[in-house]
Amino acid sequence: EAGVAQSPRYKIIEKRQSVAFWCNPISGHATLYWYQQILGQGPKLLIQFQNNGVVDDSQLPKDRFSAERLKGVDSTLKIQPAKLEDSAVYLCASSLVKYNEQFFGPGTRLTVL
Amino acid sequence: AQSVTQLDSQVPVFEEAPVELRCNYSSSVSVYLFWYVQYPNQGLQLLLKYLSGSTLVESINGFEAEFNKSQTSFHLRKPSVHISDTAEYFCAVTDFNAGGTSYGKLTFGQGTILTVHP
Repeated sequence: EAGVAQSPRYKIIEKRQSVAFWCNPISGHATLYWYQQILGQGPKLLIQFQNNGVVDDSQLPKDRFSAERLKGVDSTLKIQPAKLEDSAVYLCASSLVKYNEQFFGPGTRLTVL
Repeated sequence: AQSVTQLDSQVPVFEEAPVELRCNYSSSVSVYLFWYVQYPNQGLQLLLKYLSGSTLVESINGFEAEFNKSQTSFHLRKPSVHISDTAEYFCAVTDFNAGGTSYGKLTFGQGTILTVHP
């Protein structure tokens, strides 16, 4: 079974630029998550999708972050414009509904200069 | 709302020694509990989980964790560590509805870096 795929693996941008990350979850997983992991901290949920609907985006900085999950499969997370404090690893995860055993992708390491 | 505290940010041990990584949580409702491991430059992998039943759960590579409801703890232990266990370990919780279905959001602790020395 293929795991959660993410791209790119690494991205370096200047502040005020925009960036987009892509995630392809495990086939059949209805729930998809984006987490932000700042160095030295545990992952923090940014947004949760159930199929193509948003379940929880309470911690998403909506003035600069946006996410979508078209057709309930792939998802993109965008930052526009980026700030220095957005430097982090962005993790995508997916799960089946019941017990929420989440499977994580390798992450995208973003550096904002 | 839940919170998770991992009491040690770094734990250095020698190979073949026992280790315990401590995790305490705070929640007003019942939770499911997880330990994830993150090897360098890799994503998080589920190590073990407590959903219900026996309070002692085990992983395939020799780790175990015990759910203690009265102390709100879920400490991770291994009787003899290997060099390959060097990684960062995260404790996480999620709450669930009356039917046992998780609401989805995982709340993570800050992580514990386990370094095994030869």
